[in-house]
Amino acid sequence: AQKVTQAQTEISVVEKEDVTLDCVYETRDTTYYLFWYKQPPSGELVFLIRRNSFDEQNEISGRYSWNFQKSTSSFNFTITASQVVDSAVYFCALTDSNYQLIWGAGTKLIIKP
Amino acid sequence: GAGVSQSPSNKVTEKGKDVELRCDPISGHTALYWYRQSLGQGLEFLIYFQGNSAPDKSGLPSDRFSAERTGGSVSTLTIQRTQQEDSAVYLCASSLALRGDNYGYTFGSGTRLTVV
Repeated sequence: AQKVTQAQTEISVVEKEDVTLDCVYETRDTTYYLFWYKQPPSGELVFLIRRNSFDEQNEISGRYSWNFQKSTSSFNFTITASQVVDSAVYFCALTDSNYQLIWGAGTKLIIKP
Repeated sequence: GAGVSQSPSNKVTEKGKDVELRCDPISGHTALYWYRQSLGQGLEFLIYFQGNSAPDKSGLPSDRFSAERTGGSVSTLTIQRTQQEDSAVYLCASSLALRGDNYGYTFGSGTRLTVV
């Protein structure tokens, strides 16, 4: 069965610090897709990244970077030089052969000025 | 439309009443999902539709919940005899494919359902 675990319920850092959000997943499939979404206080879900299981290259997009490691079934998300606007709940999600996009419980990130 | 549209944005209903929630996906998106998000929680899968295939209803929590998708476009989620535990934000998402596309899954703003 699929499972996504985000062990960090809440993280609080001071602005400009780097912060890493952990995501560990479980699936029996060799083909699957992983996602990160941001949910700011306004409530909308903002897509950040989609990564397929055959692409283990790390990705960087501005201050955001993702580290995908199949050996540890992890897809961690790092924000460099955090800003107050990064404050949100961040979700990691997985879809495999049953197509039910399964979500982690989310990590609430608080960036203090 | 440019995005996924959900209506109503807010719904307050009395316990025992039926409610219908509507989702209008992005034109051309064949995959449509419904999720439920309770306060402070993650997203709970309810159902997905893909083209003309039979929907995957395995996430629906009880037989009071049903959904349909007409003409491969608009979808309606119906909750019969609402209970207080049904109170949540109901989110709809669409995509070009069941595994998402380069933009992931595009979500609507949700319908906040409150059962009193």
